[in-house]
Amino acid sequence: EADIYQTPRYLVIGTGKKITLECSQTMGHDKMYWYQQDPGMELHLIHYSYGVNSTEKGDLSSESTVSRIRTEHFPLTLESARPSHTSQYLCASSDWQYGYTFGSGTRLTVV
Amino acid sequence: GESVGLHLPTLSVQEGDNSIINCAYSNSASDYFIWYKQESGKGPQFIIDIRSNMDKRQGQRVTVLLNKTVKHLSLQIAATQPGDSAVYFCAEPMGGKLIFGQGTELSVKP
Repeated sequence: EADIYQTPRYLVIGTGKKITLECSQTMGHDKMYWYQQDPGMELHLIHYSYGVNSTEKGDLSSESTVSRIRTEHFPLTLESARPSHTSQYLCASSDWQYGYTFGSGTRLTVV
Repeated sequence: GESVGLHLPTLSVQEGDNSIINCAYSNSASDYFIWYKQESGKGPQFIIDIRSNMDKRQGQRVTVLLNKTVKHLSLQIAATQPGDSAVYFCAEPMGGKLIFGQGTELSVKP
């Protein structure tokens, strides 16, 4: 049973639109992460948070932004979607440094 | 820079055979590794981990071997089943974050 939820699962949207990908966890984890993954490829960390009001950029540069106003919620926003943003976005949380629990992901297609 | 990577992008095995998925790492100071399984349409799931003070760790039908001399680890799956079909990643903590290598897609032939 998944304790970390991502919505929507699939999203097709036009260029220039603003989108927010939702991620929520019910485990009370302080640490949350966003990864970007192309099909069959490795995961690239784009954002992470170690607690409320704490956000950092990951190793892969991304035009997206994140916020962490509540422990359980870590949304990712793209102000103006472009075809280059087409990818799968995975959210994860952990209660110790490397015990990650992943959501099922949002597959984003920008047309 | 430091990296974690896999040798082969795809692996096809017969049902019932053993599978071996390999991973090389470059940071000789690495002391912890994790294997994840990612099924189609899902996020990665933890399979097994190993610390550098161990050479081998066994789970249910899975074994991870660590060779620090050549900076190589492998995931062995015994009696591979169709449900084992997935992409497998090795991952390593770096700078407080988990870094994933390129996945190996395991296909199980009936």
